[in-house]
Amino acid sequence: NAGVTQTPKFRVLKTGQSMTLLCAQDMNHEYMYWYRQDPGMGLRLIHYSVGEGTTAKGEVPDGYNVSRLKKQNFLLGLESAAPSQTSVYFCASSFLQGAREQYFGPGTRLTVT
Amino acid sequence: RKEVEQDPGPFNVPEGATVAFNCTYSNSASQSFFWYRQDCRKEPKLLMSVYSSGNEDGRFTAQLNRASQYISLLIRDSKLSDSATYLCAVTSYGNNRLAFGKGNQVVVIP
Repeated sequence: NAGVTQTPKFRVLKTGQSMTLLCAQDMNHEYMYWYRQDPGMGLRLIHYSVGEGTTAKGEVPDGYNVSRLKKQNFLLGLESAAPSQTSVYFCASSFLQGAREQYFGPGTRLTVT
Repeated sequence: RKEVEQDPGPFNVPEGATVAFNCTYSNSASQSFFWYRQDCRKEPKLLMSVYSSGNEDGRFTAQLNRASQYISLLIRDSKLSDSATYLCAVTSYGNNRLAFGKGNQVVVIP
């Protein structure tokens, strides 16, 4: 049981490039989340999903898109990366309705130059 | 007003001492409350849920004050291994999401 995994662990992008971050969970959780964490800003919710085929905007959705085609996977896309998107990205999942205990992946450290 | 506020610290604590810190929240409709622990360059992990009547887990005690809208965490007999950032989280937006505070950084000093 791997829990929540994220791919890749590290990435450096040039401004304007695109990429997709993959989150996978093997706990059969309904809810999945994408956060970014910046120094002094804490964890901020980008997008989330309450089930397969659904997505919703969080606190800072601009510049990102997401898809949840399979229950176990939640993809975060950056279509045209900007230096302001340099951050650590965490994926999380939760089983119970009501966003209770969330299990986090190990994070992806993204640098945009 | 931010949804969840914490004093980032750092809280420098001598080994064996007690440290406590609070987290205030703005949404009176929040129903669930949690403390997460985050080690340097690692992901957050759930430390404990916070129940209305207060709860303990070993050396950790969490309390909820709904009237004043804050939760607290107390660590007794601090260990070097307790050095970490402690994030509070409260449910938000119809309880589908969690809002996190910026964290309280605790440094336990030998």
